[in-house]
Amino acid sequence: NAGVTQTPKFQVLKTGQSMTLQCAQDMNHEYMSWYRQDPGMGLRLIHYSVGAGITDQGEVPNGYNVSRSTTEDFPLRLLSAAPSQTSVYFCASTTRHGYGYTFGSGTRLTVV
Amino acid sequence: DQQVKQNSPSLSVQEGRISILNCDYTNSMFDYFLWYKKYPAEGPTFLISISSIKDKNEDGRFTVFLNKSAKHLSLHIVPSQPGDSAVYFCAARSDGTSYGKLTFGQGTILTVHP
Repeated sequence: NAGVTQTPKFQVLKTGQSMTLQCAQDMNHEYMSWYRQDPGMGLRLIHYSVGAGITDQGEVPNGYNVSRSTTEDFPLRLLSAAPSQTSVYFCASTTRHGYGYTFGSGTRLTVV
Repeated sequence: DQQVKQNSPSLSVQEGRISILNCDYTNSMFDYFLWYKKYPAEGPTFLISISSIKDKNEDGRFTVFLNKSAKHLSLHIVPSQPGDSAVYFCAARSDGTSYGKLTFGQGTILTVHP
């Protein structure tokens, strides 16, 4: 089915470990974004991309890196995991017209 | 600074009645607003949106109202159904910035009782 696919669905990391959250979309969307959801905070933008090779920071970028080598993929890298990064992470994509954003099902990350 | 606020953490309504979810924003540059619905363990799903050039948009049981002077929008669900029970997020975007950037409210948990 067309949409946004995130892997893994669950992950437990130890403090200081690194990992990559994967996001792929097959709708040929130009725009892709990463959000984190925390209780009482809504969804906050981490990084976003307007096309292959172009990325920019969102509201809470510290501790995360992204790259966009293809239109389809937008991985999120945690460089050195911290307990404050325990959260649910969502990837989203949209066309350049920006009408209606499609979200993945999320990755629940716990850092111990 | 919370630019989009949903001041009611939860709302409980009876099946068949109207549900009204509210959202306030502070950034006057926002020109496009969206409502998302989220079930547990799933990603948010798009519900309805409205451009700042309109004051109302309807889609079936869902209507969004925008009051630009008050920087306020609301989502009306009529009639409410138990399957509508979920977390509802309002989101906003400003023209001239990347369409990848949405600013979300904190969410309102809607419970519709049979």
